[in-house]
Amino acid sequence: GAVVSQHPSRVICKSGTSVKIECRSLDFQATTMFWYRQFPKQSLMLMATSNEGSKATYEQGVEKDKFLINHASLTLSTLTVTSAHPEDSSFYICSARGTSGTETQYFGPGTRLLVL
Amino acid sequence: DQQVKQNSPSLSVQEGRISILNCDYTNSMFDYFLWYKKYPAEGPTFLISISSIKDKNEDGRFTVFLNKSAKHLSLHIVPSQPGDSAVYFCAASSRGGGATNKLIFGTGTLLAVQP
Repeated sequence: GAVVSQHPSRVICKSGTSVKIECRSLDFQATTMFWYRQFPKQSLMLMATSNEGSKATYEQGVEKDKFLINHASLTLSTLTVTSAHPEDSSFYICSARGTSGTETQYFGPGTRLLVL
Repeated sequence: DQQVKQNSPSLSVQEGRISILNCDYTNSMFDYFLWYKKYPAEGPTFLISISSIKDKNEDGRFTVFLNKSAKHLSLHIVPSQPGDSAVYFCAASSRGGGATNKLIFGTGTLLAVQP
């Protein structure tokens, strides 16, 4: 149980385009989903927290107009990188936490974004 | 300010021996701690967790110890296997922060188990 999927696993796009990444909890309902970014040889940096049906809470320094987050259902959250630039190239990982009140987050496999 | 620290960036252990990964934290409000294992280009996999009301939690080959007075936790893997080779992250949260508690991650320790 507690499987989280992400799609796509890898995406290459041109500078200026927008990219959408989906995060799904496959076998549980996720009240809260989190979006992280990981740079090479660094820890996971939380970008934003999203709750189903409400606006996402962004961490300091993360542009909410650039990284659009939608959490439309208890099993799906999307991250859209708008007008992507090469510096947005990174490994994006989502996680989901169930409705049972547990603190454990289950992570997706990640999405490698390369902006040319 | 790094609230969760893993001071050893890497650790090498012989197969069959014990691996001990350490983690220190500074925020006394943290009351829930987790360990994750991560392979390159993959998402972290949950291993084991511990609440601050306990000082030990065991699951198979994995045991987590928590020393609240020292603000220190450790993950013991015994016996270590080559498949355990990965980056291990500890993470902490404060459940008093409400329903959207976030995890604060350490910088990770790369464990290499030598056959």
